[in-house]
Amino acid sequence: AQSVTQLGSHVSVSEGALVLLRCNYSSSVPPYLFWYVQYPNQGLQLLLKYTSAATLVKGINGFEAEFKKSETSFHLTKPSAHMSDAAEYFCAVSPRGDKLTFGTGTRLAVRP
Amino acid sequence: GAGVSQSPSNKVTEKGKDVELRCDPISGHTALYWYRQSLGQGLEFLIYFQGNSAPDKSGLPSDRFSAERTGGSVSTLTIQRTQQEDSAVYLCASSREGPASYEQYFGPGTRLTVT
Repeated sequence: AQSVTQLGSHVSVSEGALVLLRCNYSSSVPPYLFWYVQYPNQGLQLLLKYTSAATLVKGINGFEAEFKKSETSFHLTKPSAHMSDAAEYFCAVSPRGDKLTFGTGTRLAVRP
Repeated sequence: GAGVSQSPSNKVTEKGKDVELRCDPISGHTALYWYRQSLGQGLEFLIYFQGNSAPDKSGLPSDRFSAERTGGSVSTLTIQRTQQEDSAVYLCASSREGPASYEQYFGPGTRLTVT
């Protein structure tokens, strides 16, 4: 069985500050890991994915995440927050790259 | 190109009624998923169709829920005898087969309200 824990249901940063959203996973097999973003009243959009290639994964909109097996983590970062980054972010795990198990989400607020 | 579409966008129904939710995947995508997003349970996997294989129904919460996929394309999720706890946003996603199948494209969802 697999699960995802996202620490912090709400994160607030200033515009231009570092964004760090935390994700820890548990999986009985080497997992596929994903970050999705959901803007208000919209569907989910894939930000980036880890599929056992490079451990540092770059995604859209300047986001990146690093897979750390020893820490069972896949934290999402962005060097400089923009107002348009305000959204809800979901980490997800899948043992085979198909059906996803999601975390509870982190709502990111960006202060001017 | 066209993305995943879902209809209706909103559905209000009375407790005990049956509802059908529709999903049109991206053309050529062989995998189709249904998820549910609710305040109490977050995002949950419901059911997964891959090509002609038997669907993975392991996420369906009760036997009131069923889904079918006709002709390898359009899918319908049916909820019978709806209950208030069924109120949620139902999301559909599709993906290609093969290595690129790791990316799921989501539709905008159907917001179901059971009164």
